Amino acid sequence: EAGVTQSPTHLIKTRGQQATLRCSPISGHTSVYWYQQALGLGLQFLLWYDEGEERNRGNFPPRFSGRQFPNYSSELNVNALELEDSALYLCASSHGTATYNEQFFGPGTRLTVL
Amino acid sequence: QKEVEQNSGPLSVPEGAIASLNCTYSDRVSQSFFWYRQYSGKSPELIMSIYSNGDKEDGRFTAQLNKASQYVSLLIRDSQPSDSATYLCAVKTDNYGQNFVFGPGTRLSVLP
Repeated sequence: EAGVTQSPTHLIKTRGQQATLRCSPISGHTSVYWYQQALGLGLQFLLWYDEGEERNRGNFPPRFSGRQFPNYSSELNVNALELEDSALYLCASSHGTATYNEQFFGPGTRLTVL
Repeated sequence: QKEVEQNSGPLSVPEGAIASLNCTYSDRVSQSFFWYRQYSGKSPELIMSIYSNGDKEDGRFTAQLNKASQYVSLLIRDSQPSDSATYLCAVKTDNYGQNFVFGPGTRLSVLP
């Protein structure tokens, strides 16, 4: 069974540009989560999608947005990039929102803002 | 009080020893608890999940859950240098709108 996939692996942008990150969940999983992990820091919750709807978002400005497609894949958009947006962006998926469903991570996208 | 707390470490243990990693959580109605291992620059990898009070063993790993004390731990027996990583505790809760809440992680260093 294929795991969570993310693309691209690395992304280099300049300040003010836009970045689009993509995630494909494990087959059968309907929930997708996005996290930001700056170097040396913990996971910061960004967004949670389930069944095509945004269920919640973390404490991030509106220039961080995303969506989930009918096939449950998801994309994260970051507008007006700032230097501090440089981080590892992790996508995770789970089989719905039931209590005992585990969350599995993709390999991440390393975003560098110059 | 933070939702999920862990000692940041680093926790250093000699090769072959038992490493003990601890986690406390604030939401009393949490039902599901998870331990992840994260190597530097890599994504978190699920090691163990535990849902009932008591111990759950998987190879060299044992997860322990005490819901009354709101405490979950991970024991790593016969620690190896390859176990050196950051260990993240995660709690599944319906009360914070995130579904999963992660602790800050404990950095473990196993010394040869």
